[in-house]
Amino acid sequence: DAGVTQSPTHLIKTRGQQVTLRCSPKSGHDTVSWYQQALGQGPQFIFQYYEEEERQRGNFPDRFSGHQFPNYSSELNVNALLLGDSALYLCASSLVPTGGMQYFGPGTRLTVT
Amino acid sequence: KQEVTQIPAALSVPEGENLVLNCSFTDSAIYNLQWFRQDPGKGLTSLLLIQSSQREQTSGRLNASLDKSSGRSTLYIAASQPGDSATYLCAVIFSNSGYALNFGKGTSLLVTP
Repeated sequence: DAGVTQSPTHLIKTRGQQVTLRCSPKSGHDTVSWYQQALGQGPQFIFQYYEEEERQRGNFPDRFSGHQFPNYSSELNVNALLLGDSALYLCASSLVPTGGMQYFGPGTRLTVT
Repeated sequence: KQEVTQIPAALSVPEGENLVLNCSFTDSAIYNLQWFRQDPGKGLTSLLLIQSSQREQTSGRLNASLDKSSGRSTLYIAASQPGDSATYLCAVIFSNSGYALNFGKGTSLLVTP
Protein backbone atom coordinates (compact mmCIF):
# COMPACT_ATOMS: atom_id res chain seq x y z
CA ASP A 1 0.00 0.00 0.00
CA ALA A 2 1.71 3.16 -1.22
CA GLY A 3 1.78 6.04 1.19
CA VAL A 4 1.63 9.71 0.30
CA THR A 5 4.00 10.56 -2.53
CA GLN A 6 5.29 13.96 -3.58
CA SER A 7 7.27 15.22 -6.52
CA PRO A 8 9.80 16.56 -7.11
CA THR A 9 12.01 15.91 -4.07
CA HIS A 10 14.05 19.06 -4.49
CA LEU A 11 13.59 22.16 -6.60
CA ILE A 12 15.65 25.30 -7.14
CA LYS A 13 13.93 28.34 -8.64
CA THR A 14 14.76 31.97 -9.22
CA ARG A 15 12.87 34.82 -7.59
CA GLY A 16 9.84 35.77 -9.69
CA GLN A 17 9.40 32.36 -11.28
CA GLN A 18 6.45 30.01 -10.87
CA VAL A 19 6.52 26.47 -9.45
CA THR A 20 4.16 23.48 -9.36
CA LEU A 21 4.42 20.77 -6.73
CA ARG A 22 2.53 17.49 -6.92
CA CYS A 23 1.03 15.09 -4.40
CA SER A 24 -0.63 11.69 -4.60
CA PRO A 25 -2.60 10.74 -1.48
CA LYS A 26 -2.48 7.45 0.36
CA SER A 27 -4.65 4.81 -1.30
CA GLY A 28 -8.30 5.28 -0.34
CA HIS A 29 -7.86 8.83 0.96
CA ASP A 30 -9.96 11.63 -0.53
CA THR A 31 -8.70 14.71 1.29
CA VAL A 32 -5.41 16.49 0.65
CA SER A 33 -3.87 19.31 2.69
CA TRP A 34 -0.75 21.34 1.99
CA TYR A 35 1.64 22.75 4.59
CA GLN A 36 4.74 24.96 4.46
CA GLN A 37 7.54 24.30 6.92
CA ALA A 38 10.31 26.85 7.34
CA LEU A 39 13.56 25.74 8.91
CA GLY A 40 13.22 25.20 12.65
CA GLN A 41 9.47 25.84 12.64
CA GLY A 42 6.35 23.72 12.77
CA PRO A 43 4.39 23.29 9.53
CA GLN A 44 1.93 26.04 8.61
CA PHE A 45 -1.40 25.18 6.95
CA ILE A 46 -1.79 26.48 3.39
CA PHE A 47 -5.09 24.93 2.25
CA GLN A 48 -7.14 21.73 2.10
CA TYR A 49 -8.92 20.12 -0.85
CA TYR A 50 -11.88 17.75 -0.69
CA GLU A 51 -14.11 16.68 -3.57
CA GLU A 52 -12.00 18.83 -5.90
CA GLU A 53 -12.82 22.00 -4.00
CA GLU A 54 -10.78 24.15 -1.63
CA ARG A 55 -12.49 23.66 1.74
CA GLN A 56 -10.27 25.86 3.85
CA ARG A 57 -7.39 28.23 3.39
CA GLY A 58 -4.71 29.37 5.80
CA ASN A 59 -3.07 32.76 6.00
CA PHE A 60 -1.24 32.62 2.68
CA PRO A 61 -1.43 35.12 -0.22
CA ASP A 62 -3.22 34.46 -3.49
CA ARG A 63 0.13 33.62 -5.07
CA PHE A 64 -0.46 30.20 -3.55
CA SER A 65 -3.11 28.22 -5.41
CA GLY A 66 -4.04 24.60 -5.76
CA HIS A 67 -6.06 22.02 -7.50
CA GLN A 68 -7.41 18.55 -6.81
CA PHE A 69 -8.03 16.08 -9.60
CA PRO A 70 -10.78 13.43 -9.86
CA ASN A 71 -8.28 10.76 -8.75
CA TYR A 72 -7.72 12.83 -5.55
CA SER A 73 -4.16 13.83 -6.44
CA SER A 74 -3.33 17.47 -5.96
CA GLU A 75 -1.07 20.27 -7.13
CA LEU A 76 0.26 23.31 -5.32
CA ASN A 77 1.19 26.30 -7.47
CA VAL A 78 3.19 29.27 -6.30
CA ASN A 79 3.53 32.33 -8.54
CA ALA A 80 5.99 35.23 -8.38
CA LEU A 81 8.32 33.37 -6.05
CA LEU A 82 9.95 35.26 -3.20
CA LEU A 83 13.09 34.34 -1.27
CA GLY A 84 10.84 33.77 1.75
CA ASP A 85 9.00 30.98 -0.07
CA SER A 86 12.05 28.76 0.43
CA ALA A 87 10.80 25.93 2.65
CA LEU A 88 9.81 22.29 2.86
CA TYR A 89 6.35 21.83 1.36
CA LEU A 90 4.42 18.94 2.85
CA CYS A 91 1.33 17.22 1.58
CA ALA A 92 -0.98 15.31 3.92
CA SER A 93 -3.88 13.03 3.12
CA SER A 94 -6.74 11.67 5.18
CA LEU A 95 -9.93 9.69 4.67
CA VAL A 96 -12.25 12.41 5.89
CA PRO A 97 -11.62 16.14 6.23
CA THR A 98 -11.37 16.23 10.01
CA GLY A 99 -11.72 13.05 11.94
CA GLY A 100 -9.02 10.76 10.72
CA MET A 101 -5.30 10.51 11.17
CA GLN A 102 -3.44 12.60 8.63
CA TYR A 103 -0.54 11.00 6.80
CA PHE A 104 2.28 13.10 5.40
CA GLY A 105 4.47 12.68 2.37
CA PRO A 106 8.26 13.12 2.30
CA GLY A 107 7.96 16.75 1.21
CA THR A 108 9.41 18.89 -1.54
CA ARG A 109 12.35 21.12 -0.62
CA LEU A 110 11.99 24.39 -2.52
CA THR A 111 14.91 26.79 -2.66
CA VAL A 112 14.37 30.24 -4.16
CA THR A 113 17.51 32.12 -5.16
CA LYS B 1 -5.20 33.39 19.05
CA GLN B 2 -5.13 29.59 19.13
CA GLU B 3 -1.60 28.34 19.70
CA VAL B 4 0.28 25.13 20.36
CA THR B 5 3.45 25.20 22.45
CA GLN B 6 6.02 22.49 23.03
CA ILE B 7 8.51 22.50 25.88
CA PRO B 8 11.40 21.85 25.99
CA ALA B 9 12.66 22.84 22.54
CA ALA B 10 15.48 20.30 22.86
CA LEU B 11 16.18 17.33 25.09
CA SER B 12 19.16 14.99 25.44
CA VAL B 13 18.89 11.73 27.40
CA PRO B 14 21.02 8.58 27.75
CA GLU B 15 19.78 5.39 26.16
CA GLY B 16 17.32 3.41 28.26
CA GLU B 17 15.71 6.34 30.04
CA ASN B 18 11.97 6.91 30.07
CA LEU B 19 11.05 10.42 28.99
CA VAL B 20 8.09 12.77 28.63
CA LEU B 21 7.52 15.39 25.95
CA ASN B 22 5.01 18.14 26.64
CA CYS B 23 2.47 19.92 24.47
CA SER B 24 0.10 22.68 25.55
CA PHE B 25 -2.68 24.40 23.64
CA THR B 26 -4.57 27.59 24.31
CA ASP B 27 -8.16 26.45 23.62
CA SER B 28 -9.67 23.37 25.23
CA ALA B 29 -12.25 23.02 22.45
CA ILE B 30 -10.38 20.65 20.20
CA TYR B 31 -11.43 18.02 17.68
CA ASN B 32 -8.33 15.86 17.97
CA LEU B 33 -4.61 15.93 18.71
CA GLN B 34 -1.91 14.13 16.80
CA TRP B 35 1.75 13.41 17.56
CA PHE B 36 4.30 13.18 14.75
CA ARG B 37 7.96 12.33 14.39
CA GLN B 38 10.21 14.11 11.90
CA ASP B 39 13.73 13.04 10.97
CA PRO B 40 16.06 15.79 9.66
CA GLY B 41 14.99 17.02 6.23
CA LYS B 42 12.24 14.44 5.99
CA GLY B 43 8.46 14.33 6.09
CA LEU B 44 6.31 13.66 9.13
CA THR B 45 5.57 10.19 10.46
CA SER B 46 2.24 9.83 12.27
CA LEU B 47 2.68 8.33 15.73
CA LEU B 48 -0.59 8.64 17.65
CA LEU B 49 -3.99 10.28 17.22
CA ILE B 50 -6.16 11.14 20.23
CA GLN B 51 -9.77 12.08 19.60
CA SER B 52 -11.38 14.72 21.79
CA SER B 53 -13.36 12.09 23.69
CA GLN B 54 -10.30 9.98 24.53
CA ARG B 55 -7.80 10.32 27.39
CA GLU B 56 -4.89 8.34 26.00
CA GLN B 57 -3.53 6.21 23.18
CA THR B 58 -0.73 3.66 23.18
CA SER B 59 1.47 2.23 20.47
CA GLY B 60 4.39 0.04 21.46
CA ARG B 61 6.75 2.07 23.67
CA LEU B 62 4.75 5.26 23.09
CA ASN B 63 1.87 6.52 25.19
CA ALA B 64 0.11 9.81 24.60
CA SER B 65 -2.30 11.39 27.06
CA LEU B 66 -4.78 14.21 26.65
CA ASP B 67 -6.18 16.57 29.29
CA LYS B 68 -8.45 19.03 27.51
CA SER B 69 -9.42 20.94 30.64
CA SER B 70 -5.82 21.94 31.28
CA GLY B 71 -4.93 22.23 27.60
CA ARG B 72 -2.15 19.66 27.79
CA SER B 73 -0.92 16.50 26.14
CA THR B 74 2.13 14.41 26.95
CA LEU B 75 4.02 11.88 24.88
CA TYR B 76 5.72 9.24 27.04
CA ILE B 77 8.55 7.23 25.48
CA ALA B 78 9.62 4.16 27.43
CA ALA B 79 13.13 2.70 27.36
CA SER B 80 14.47 5.22 24.86
CA GLN B 81 16.81 4.10 22.05
CA PRO B 82 19.24 6.03 19.81
CA GLY B 83 16.82 5.39 16.93
CA ASP B 84 14.25 7.51 18.74
CA SER B 85 16.39 10.60 18.05
CA ALA B 86 14.25 12.96 15.98
CA THR B 87 12.01 16.02 16.31
CA TYR B 88 8.61 15.31 17.82
CA LEU B 89 5.72 17.53 16.78
CA CYS B 90 2.34 17.97 18.40
CA ALA B 91 -0.59 19.18 16.29
CA VAL B 92 -4.15 20.13 17.23
CA ILE B 93 -7.34 20.60 15.23
CA PHE B 94 -9.35 23.23 17.13
CA SER B 95 -13.11 22.74 17.02
CA ASN B 96 -13.98 26.17 15.67
CA SER B 97 -11.16 26.64 13.20
CA GLY B 98 -11.99 24.21 10.45
CA TYR B 99 -9.76 21.37 9.36
CA ALA B 100 -6.22 22.67 9.75
CA LEU B 101 -3.62 21.04 11.93
CA ASN B 102 -2.04 23.65 14.20
CA PHE B 103 1.52 22.64 15.02
CA GLY B 104 3.92 23.41 17.80
CA LYS B 105 7.56 24.05 16.92
CA GLY B 106 8.55 20.62 18.11
CA THR B 107 10.94 19.08 20.62
CA SER B 108 14.29 17.92 19.23
CA LEU B 109 15.22 14.68 21.03
CA LEU B 110 18.71 13.19 21.14
CA VAL B 111 19.18 9.76 22.73
CA THR B 112 22.84 9.05 23.34
CA PRO B 113 24.28 5.49 23.44
